[in-house]
Amino acid sequence: EAGVVQSPRYKIIEKKQPVAFWCNPISGHNTLYWYRQNLGQGPELLIRYENEEAVDDSQLPKDRFSAERLKGVDSTLKIQPAELGDSAVYLCASSLESGHGELFFGEGSRLTVL
Amino acid sequence: EDKVVQSPLSLVVHEGDTVTLNCSYEVTNFRSLLWYKQEKKAPTFLFMLTSSGIEKKSGRLSSILDKKELFSILNITATQTGDSAIYLCAVEAWDSNYQLIWGAGTKLIIKP
Repeated sequence: EAGVVQSPRYKIIEKKQPVAFWCNPISGHNTLYWYRQNLGQGPELLIRYENEEAVDDSQLPKDRFSAERLKGVDSTLKIQPAELGDSAVYLCASSLESGHGELFFGEGSRLTVL
Repeated sequence: EDKVVQSPLSLVVHEGDTVTLNCSYEVTNFRSLLWYKQEKKAPTFLFMLTSSGIEKKSGRLSSILDKKELFSILNITATQTGDSAIYLCAVEAWDSNYQLIWGAGTKLIIKP
């Protein structure tokens, strides 16, 4: 069974440029999470979807970040415009449903903003 | 405010040693505690603990939860260089909304 797939794996951009990350969760998983992880820190939730509905986006910086999960499957996270402080690893994870414990993570997208 | 604190932040031991990693929490509406191992890539699931005093075991790794004192430990015996990783602890809470609160992780380095 395929795991959570993310792309791109690495992205280097200049500040003020836009960037987008894509995530394909495990088939049948209703819940999808986007996390940001800085070096030496635990993952920080950006947004959580139940199917196509964003049920928790309280930590998403909405002035520059946006996300969508059309048809409740794939998801895209966009940053526009990027700032230096956005450099981090962006992790996508999925689970059967919220509260079912185990999250399955993708390999992450490492963003460097110059 | 809900929080999860892991200690130590980093640890260097020699192959063959036994290590104990700690995770303490202050979380209302606790549901479960999760341990993950993160090498260079994505975190991978190790254990989920919901009940006090019941040890979960997988090979050389084991973990136990104390819901009275609000902590969990992760033990690794006979460590190998492949155990080098960041070990993350997360606590699930469920009230009117679901939350998963992460610790900052313990970076474990195993020297040959």
